[in-house]
Amino acid sequence: DGGITQSPKYLFRKEGQNVTLSCEQNLNHDAMYWYRQDPGQGLRLIYYSQIVNDFQKGDIAEGYSVSREKKESFPLTVTSAQKNPTAFYLCASSPWDRFNEQYFGPGTRLTVT
Amino acid sequence: EDQVTQSPEALRLQEGESSSLNCSYTVSGLRGLFWYRQDPGKGPEFLFTLYSAGEEKEKERLKATLTKKESFLHITAPKPEDSATYLCAVQGRAGNNRKLIWGLGTSLAVNP
Repeated sequence: DGGITQSPKYLFRKEGQNVTLSCEQNLNHDAMYWYRQDPGQGLRLIYYSQIVNDFQKGDIAEGYSVSREKKESFPLTVTSAQKNPTAFYLCASSPWDRFNEQYFGPGTRLTVT
Repeated sequence: EDQVTQSPEALRLQEGESSSLNCSYTVSGLRGLFWYRQDPGKGPEFLFTLYSAGEEKEKERLKATLTKKESFLHITAPKPEDSATYLCAVQGRAGNNRKLIWGLGTSLAVNP
C-alpha cells in the first residue's frame, strides 16, 4: 500500500526534552510538509521541503528543526525552545507540480508536561 | 491579509437531509481552492481542487462549487459515513506560492 506513515501515534515527553517525530512516504513524492493542528486554529505550516537536502520555514518554524536526507523521509524535531509543543502534528507529501493535492499521514499527538 | 472562513462551525443532519457548507475567502489573487475531509484523530484527505469561478467538481454525494468570494460544498442525501470535519484551504498568488491558507473546518454529523 502506498501512503504516509507517522510514528508514534501518541508521544509523551517531559518539558525541556527534544523529541523527534517520524514521517515516511512511499508515494515517490518530491515535496513534504509538516503542519501543526490545534483546537480552534487552522492547520499551520511548520516546515516544508521540495527536494532532498533542501527545506524552507513555514509560518511557525521557531522551536522546530527538520532534515531531508532521503526523498522518503522528513523527520521533525521539536526542541525545548518550542514554547507550546503539545499539539497534533501532521506530515504530508505531494507531487512537486500539484502541491495542493497533499496526502496526509495519520498524525502524531505530542503531549509535553 | 489572506483569510478563509468556514460556516457553520458545526452541522447536524438527518440521513438523507441535503445541505451545504460554506467557505468564504479573501485572498490577493486566487490560484486555487481546495476541500479536504478529516476524520477524528486522522489526517485530512484531499477531495477537490477548484481554480476559477463557475467551476464545479463532484464525487459521490459531494459537489463543490466556486464563486469569486466563496465556495460551497453541497452534500446530497448524506449518510452517517459522511460524518467528518470538512476543511477548506486556498492558495493565493502573492508571497509564498507553496503556502495554503486553511479554514477551521465545519464539523458535520449525520444521524441515521
